[in-house]
Amino acid sequence: NAGVTQTPKFRVLKTGQSMTLLCAQDMNHEYMYWYRQDPGMGLRLIHYSVGEGTTAKGEVPDGYNVSRLKKQNFLLGLESAAPSQTSVYFCASRATGGGGEKLFFGSGTQLSVL
Amino acid sequence: GIQVEQSPPDLILQEGANSTLRCNFSDSVNNLQWFHQNPWGQLINLFYIPSGTKQNGRLSATTVATERYSLLYISSSQTTDSGVYFCAVRVASYNQGGKLIFGQGTELSVKP
Repeated sequence: NAGVTQTPKFRVLKTGQSMTLLCAQDMNHEYMYWYRQDPGMGLRLIHYSVGEGTTAKGEVPDGYNVSRLKKQNFLLGLESAAPSQTSVYFCASRATGGGGEKLFFGSGTQLSVL
Repeated sequence: GIQVEQSPPDLILQEGANSTLRCNFSDSVNNLQWFHQNPWGQLINLFYIPSGTKQNGRLSATTVATERYSLLYISSSQTTDSGVYFCAVRVASYNQGGKLIFGQGTELSVKP
């Protein structure tokens, strides 16, 4: 059982470069999320999706874009990376209702922007 | 937006001791979960507990939704309990239905 898979696990970018983080889940979950974790800040919601073709802004959406073209995939894009985007990024997914609303996380992506 | 506050921010225990972690939230919620982040960074779901009490081994959790708080109890702590404990909540209103907001976490260190 793969669960939630994030790629890549590590990445180093130069300021101004772009990249895409991929999140894939095999649990047929409707909801998917992207969080960033910084020291002393906990996990902050960047963007989320309540189903295929939908996206919505979270707490800290600036500088990021997302797409959910397929139900199982949720992509996070950085068009022009900045040092402030150095962080650990986590993807998560969950089912809707029926008691199956537990959130499942990927293993994280450590991103450094120089 | 909703405020989620966890206390204490840090906790040091001797192995075998018991502890209570608290999560306060500022709005009505219909989803509350507790997570453990181990020293390797992995986030594990401990409980989905929007109300009531649940137990899983040495861990138990209680949420009193009407009073807007949840408690995580750890009994007979072990060194493997070390890490950061987070609670996450979802506001109970239609236009906020998807968001799950995290508290800042409680960092627990269990000494042998």
